[in-house]
Amino acid sequence: KAGVTQTPRYLIKTRGQQVTLSCSPISGHRSVSWYQQTPGQGLQFLFEYFSETQRNKGNFPGRFSGRQFSNSRSEMNVSTLELGDSALYLCASSLTIGTGVEAFFGQGTRLTVV
Amino acid sequence: GESVGLHLPTLSVQEGDNSIINCAYSNSASDYFIWYKQESGKGPQFIIDIRSNMDKRQGQRVTVLLNKTVKHLSLQIAATQPGDSAVYFCAESPTSGTYKYIFGTGTRLKVLA
Repeated sequence: KAGVTQTPRYLIKTRGQQVTLSCSPISGHRSVSWYQQTPGQGLQFLFEYFSETQRNKGNFPGRFSGRQFSNSRSEMNVSTLELGDSALYLCASSLTIGTGVEAFFGQGTRLTVV
Repeated sequence: GESVGLHLPTLSVQEGDNSIINCAYSNSASDYFIWYKQESGKGPQFIIDIRSNMDKRQGQRVTVLLNKTVKHLSLQIAATQPGDSAVYFCAESPTSGTYKYIFGTGTRLKVLA
């Protein structure tokens, strides 16, 4: 079966712009989580969606937002981009929500802010 | 895309030797732990998991050990192969009932031929 698909793979944006990233989870999976990966901070949790509702949120400013659609696909949006937002953004899908549930990651979207 | 950058601890092992990668986790209430492998240009890949009611779990060539007393997790890879070269992350899942992983900083494993 197809894995987690993230689009686009690479993006270059200018400071102050906004960006939308997309994630299609594995078929049948209803939970989608987003992570930011940087050399300085490692992998950090952004937020998690399940059944179109945000269930948990990490410690990121309000410029970072997301949503989930009825087909479980998810998007995340970053507004007023800053240079420090340059990172690899990873999406993970799981069958359901809760602890002890395996997460499958996509290949990520590499965002560069110039 | 590289997984993490300049200051990752690195473990170098000879091909065929066993590797042990260690991780200290932060939350004593975490009840589920996972090891992920991340190769260059790829997302993290699940290796093995363990729940807090266990102290050891074995997979194919891999073993995870959990010491809750000192909040320590380790990953043992038997007969390390060149394809094992990657960055390895441990992740803990708190018992909050919401799905959220806290990742360790990662260890780069280099397999020497």
